[in-house]
Amino acid sequence: SQQGEEDPQALSIQEGENATMNCSYKTSINNLQWYRQNSGRGLVHLILIRSNEREKHSGRLRVTLDTSKKSSSLLITASRAADTASYFCATDAKPTGRRALTFGSGTRLQVQP
Amino acid sequence: DGGITQSPKYLFRKEGQNVTLSCEQNLNHDAMYWYRQDPGQGLRLIYYSQIVNDFQKGDIAEGYSVSREKKESFPLTVTSAQKNPTAFYLCASSRPRALAGPDTQYFGPGTRLTVL
Repeated sequence: SQQGEEDPQALSIQEGENATMNCSYKTSINNLQWYRQNSGRGLVHLILIRSNEREKHSGRLRVTLDTSKKSSSLLITASRAADTASYFCATDAKPTGRRALTFGSGTRLQVQP
Repeated sequence: DGGITQSPKYLFRKEGQNVTLSCEQNLNHDAMYWYRQDPGQGLRLIYYSQIVNDFQKGDIAEGYSVSREKKESFPLTVTSAQKNPTAFYLCASSRPRALAGPDTQYFGPGTRLTVL
């Protein structure tokens, strides 16, 4: 089963608006990562937040993490048409004997020019 | 140019045939992974390998097989036992095992497999 579940599944906004995507997960984690996927392409790493961090910024990206609620959010400010893509959260769970990320189902973002 | 490559980009197979998808990386990464992605869905882990000559099953290994004879290469075979193999297959790699810290994964461009 998926560790991470993104919400909403799809989001359509106008250029210049902010986009917020949420991710919930089930088990304790070491860190949480966000990836982006353009249609029909591989994933690209965007940002990582460790379990002892609450907020992190990278350019127009802002990630928050609430370990008590087992949730994270990705905010893209001043969105551009080029931000149109699917966005996935991925969790690196605390030792389970398996060293592999678990990906959520993704949020499809459409930014209208 | 460092990176991770997958070939072919598109692959067509007749039902009942085995097919092998290639994944090569020159990033000196110890760990490599195979994922399956169905339309509009997330990634599901098929197999992963933390080191040469070793690999583990992921969440959906049935009908698939892998080998890891070289650090740079992690081919995936989709066998005729896989009931619904049409999907987008993604390969990824991550940093050397000896280094501490989280595993940020680097992805190849993917192979789209269609069973006719």
